[in-house]
Parts: sequence; C-alpha cells; structure tokens
Amino acid sequence: QLVLTQSPSASASLGASVKLTCTLSSGHSSYAIAWHQQQPEKGPRYLMKVNSDGSHNKGDGIPDRFSGSSSGAERYLTISSLQSEDEADYYCQTWDTGKVFGGGTKLTVL
Amino acid sequence: QVELRESGPGLVKPSGTLSLTCAVSGGSITSGNWWSWVRQPPGKGLEWIGEIYHSGSTNYNPSLKTRVTMSVDKSNNQFSLKLTSVTAADTAVYYCARAPPNNDAFDIWGQGTMVTVSS
Repeated sequence: QLVLTQSPSASASLGASVKLTCTLSSGHSSYAIAWHQQQPEKGPRYLMKVNSDGSHNKGDGIPDRFSGSSSGAERYLTISSLQSEDEADYYCQTWDTGKVFGGGTKLTVL
Repeated sequence: QVELRESGPGLVKPSGTLSLTCAVSGGSITSGNWWSWVRQPPGKGLEWIGEIYHSGSTNYNPSLKTRVTMSVDKSNNQFSLKLTSVTAADTAVYYCARAPPNNDAFDIWGQGTMVTVSS
C-alpha cells in the first residue's frame, strides 16, 4: 500500500535552514512526490515536484529559498533563510491509481 | 492564469447530500487536465476524494467510493461533487484542485469552502 510518512512537527530559527522529510512506503522508493504549503487559514499552495533522482520542478513564483532533494525512499524539502511567513503546514503528495497525502508537518519558525 | 473557485451550501443535514461546484476560470476544463476534490476536517490533514477528466472518466478514493459522484459541465466550464449519506465526519473544508495532463502533482488549488454537517 502506498503511504507517505511525515513527522508531525518541526521548528527552526528565523534566518536558519530546515529540512523536512517525506518517506515513501516499502516498494515505492522510485515514486516522485510533490510538496504543498498551507499557511494558517489558507488553502494549500503547490511548491514543487521532487523526483527520485533528486531533480525538482518548482511552481510559479516559488522563491529560490525552497529546494527539493531525494535519497532512497526519502524526499526532502529544504527551506533556507527562514522567514516568518514560512510558518505553515507542509504536505507531501504522490500518485498511483489515485492521489495520496502525507499527514503533514507543522513548521514553527522561532 | 487558471483559477478555481468552489461554491455550494455551507450547511448540510445529516443523512443528506453534499453538493459542491468548482468553477474554472482562465482556462478550459477540456484542456487535458485532471480535476480533483480534496477535503480537510477541522484541525486535520488533507484527504483526496476523487478526480474527473473532461471525458467523464473518474477515479474515487476507495474509502468514499460508494457515496461519491463527480461530473463535468463543459458548457459552464465547471465540475461538481456529490457526497451522499453525510454525517458529522464529513464536516470539512472542501478544495478543488487541478493536476496536469500526466495526472501527477496538484499544481493549482481553489481557496476552499467550509461545509458543516449538522441538524
């Protein structure tokens, strides 16, 4: 069964960097995923698609501070030079016969 | 710039039918994309409900399949969701979203509409 696992929470200081992880279930390590950001009281926003080789394709207007990478069954979202508006929930998403979401990571900017 | 906007009743009675519409602007619903519904219960994560292509082809989440129907209205450039036999567990913000022709990542989202199931 295709499952995405995310840590429920993460935190980092203003101006620092943070790396969020999304783990694909066993047997699905070749799958690409997408990252979406959901700021408080807002709808999700597409950030990027991350492929198994680490290449990524960002959505329109997504700052260079956001980047993606991969290692094995793990897909990463790195945010550098953290700003207050980066405090949000981050969801990974993948696809097979249907669409699947991870449980989301709540990022706190200290 | 394609935009999506959800609309529909904000309150539905238990055992009733939830009906929502997503209007597509700035592009055509027949452009080769897949169109989905996603929901988010208060304080919880995102759940995919299902998707539809302009031909009428659909895929539904197995956990909701028996209660979900999606349709496309090409003349009005919109698509719709019907969820039957609703309970309080169906209370959520409902989003529509677009996936590109290769049907992978959602690249455009609507703003969402809150639906409460209550008598």
